[in-house]
Amino acid sequence: DAGVTQSPTHLIKTRGQQVTLRCSPKSGHDTVSWYQQALGQGPQFIFQYYEEEERQRGNFPDRFSGHQFPNYSSELNVNALLLGDSALYLCASSLVQEGGIYGYTFGSGTRLTVV
Amino acid sequence: AQTVTQSQPEMSVQEAETVTLSCTYDTSESDYYLFWYKQPPSRQMILVIRQEAYKQQNATENRFSVNFQKAAKSFSLKISDSQLGDAAMYFCAYRRTLNFGNEKLTFGTGTRLTIIP
Repeated sequence: DAGVTQSPTHLIKTRGQQVTLRCSPKSGHDTVSWYQQALGQGPQFIFQYYEEEERQRGNFPDRFSGHQFPNYSSELNVNALLLGDSALYLCASSLVQEGGIYGYTFGSGTRLTVV
Repeated sequence: AQTVTQSQPEMSVQEAETVTLSCTYDTSESDYYLFWYKQPPSRQMILVIRQEAYKQQNATENRFSVNFQKAAKSFSLKISDSQLGDAAMYFCAYRRTLNFGNEKLTFGTGTRLTIIP
């Protein structure tokens, strides 16, 4: 049973550029959430997708956008990259019917470095 | 807004000994879930243990147990018989239950646990 898969694992971008990160949820899961984890910090919620719609959003600017596809996979897009966007980006999946009782299954993340 | 506080940035314990990691949270909700996640150098967040707020009994998973004090809004993790593989960052997380299935996790800042051989 495949877990959450994220690609790429590492990425280096230049300030001002745009980046797309990808996530395939655990088999059977239908909800995908994205988190940003700055160095030495806990993950911060960016947004969550269910049924191809953004359902919840954290305190992140509109430069951060996302998409969920019919197969439940998801993309996170960040425009006009800033140095402060350098972080580990984690994808987490869950099954809405479980009601969150089991928490979320996380991927190993994409390490984004903005130079 | 809910907040989660972990006041111990770093902890260390001798192998085979017991260690307790602290977590406090702030919420006005009466029903919620609490979690402890482990993040080893591989970066993947691994669920260690979870607690439903409506259950008075403390959760236990093998060597891991929690001390859940709802009135004090405290949720500590006890690791017994510590092993080298327990070395990692540990994060406490909160999730409310109001929005069925779609609620976000709110994390603390983490505690780095070192196991001394």
